[in-house]
Amino acid sequence: EAQVTQNPRYLITVTGKKLTVTCSQNMNHEYMSWYRQDPGLGLRQIYYSMNVEATDKGDVPEGYKVSRKEKRNFPLILESPSPNQTSLYFCASSSTGLLGVTGELFFGEGSRLTVL
Amino acid sequence: EDQVTQSPEALRLQEGESSSLNCSYTVSGLRGLFWYRQDPGKGPEFLFTLYSAGEEKEKERLKATLTKKESFLHITAPKPEDSATYLCAVQEVSDSGYALNFGKGTSLLVTP
Repeated sequence: EAQVTQNPRYLITVTGKKLTVTCSQNMNHEYMSWYRQDPGLGLRQIYYSMNVEATDKGDVPEGYKVSRKEKRNFPLILESPSPNQTSLYFCASSSTGLLGVTGELFFGEGSRLTVL
Repeated sequence: EDQVTQSPEALRLQEGESSSLNCSYTVSGLRGLFWYRQDPGKGPEFLFTLYSAGEEKEKERLKATLTKKESFLHITAPKPEDSATYLCAVQEVSDSGYALNFGKGTSLLVTP
């Protein structure tokens, strides 16, 4: 079954304690991306990756890091989490065609993060 | 200014009561417009892609249409299981051709 898997699904942590949210896809997609979803603000892109070792900032990258060492994995790292990073996070992946990345994203189930 | 605006923010329908959701967009060059469905506590699920004005796509009770300024998601004779948040996203023509801008969504509730 085609899927994007995120872990953990729920996490409560404290300010400053480094954490990593993992994301893995089994569709051999080149493109992967992280979004955060907040009430009233909608989905906003944090980082994206066009392929292995190719990552770039999205609209709200401050306070986050990513890496893409393998095609299937795209972890999101919060080096020193702060309360304003409390949010619902989604990882997504997509194939790429002749015209670039398609807009047909496959999303994970989401990771709800609370930073106290 | 938001590139993608969805209206209404929330909509309540009786089962069988047809209606439409609106997505208006302002981009200089549209590469594609996408509709997603999101159930509570889940990730968005892709529904449709529309590329050019006049294009239409259908899936069960849903029909998406596109003009040069907006898209409509028509829901015909909805059922309670159609209750969800519907998201619209646009992809703009650019050198990289990848960024999607999402609207804030329309929350649909269909009551029996």
